[in-house]
Amino acid sequence: DIVLTQAPLSVSVTPGESASISCRSSKSLLSSKGITSLYWYLQKPGKSPQLLIYRMSNLASGVPDRFSGSGSETDFTLKISKVETEDVGVYYCAQFLEYPFTFGSGTKLEIK
Amino acid sequence: QIQLVQSGPELKKPGESVKISCKASGYTFTDYAMHWVKQAPGKGLKWMGWINTYTGKPTYADDFKGRFVFSLEASASTANLQISNLKNEDTATYFCARRAAWFDYWGQGVMVTVSS
Repeated sequence: DIVLTQAPLSVSVTPGESASISCRSSKSLLSSKGITSLYWYLQKPGKSPQLLIYRMSNLASGVPDRFSGSGSETDFTLKISKVETEDVGVYYCAQFLEYPFTFGSGTKLEIK
Repeated sequence: QIQLVQSGPELKKPGESVKISCKASGYTFTDYAMHWVKQAPGKGLKWMGWINTYTGKPTYADDFKGRFVFSLEASASTANLQISNLKNEDTATYFCARRAAWFDYWGQGVMVTVSS
């Protein structure tokens, strides 16, 4: 199984500052079609996960451009610039390259 | 608009069974696979498996083979998850999620509590 290791476990950010979350994969997520199958989701308190970033670096529809994704075949970063109070929740990376699909353990973002 | 609406919370005793549903609307049900994800209280997301909504064929992750059954009521655009012989560790929220190339729409989740 592909293991996704997220860091940090939690992050506390002052509104207006930036935050970065790391996700490391135990295997390359680059498919034979040249697609990097790494996704970022935000689960707000009491809600279902919502897609932020697809295929490593593409912003999902309706997501503010304060969010950005980058990375290589195995190391990925979600950056949130100018954090707002509405960004609180748990961030998960996920891979849909191969079964079983797996998620990172999550990073909780709190506001200072 | 596209929606996945799941059934309500369940309180069950160990050894009982539960069936939860996920009703899709706003798209052609058989065009997209339906996946199931478990989230234990205060924990992360765990993929359980999926069902091909066109053929009805289910595929289960290793940890969910045996007591877990995915099924369809295709005429009602509904996917179901049945868990038999419930255990305390089945206490969790269960999400259905539609898969395009990724999970693009999720149900609101169903909280299943197993307690004697």
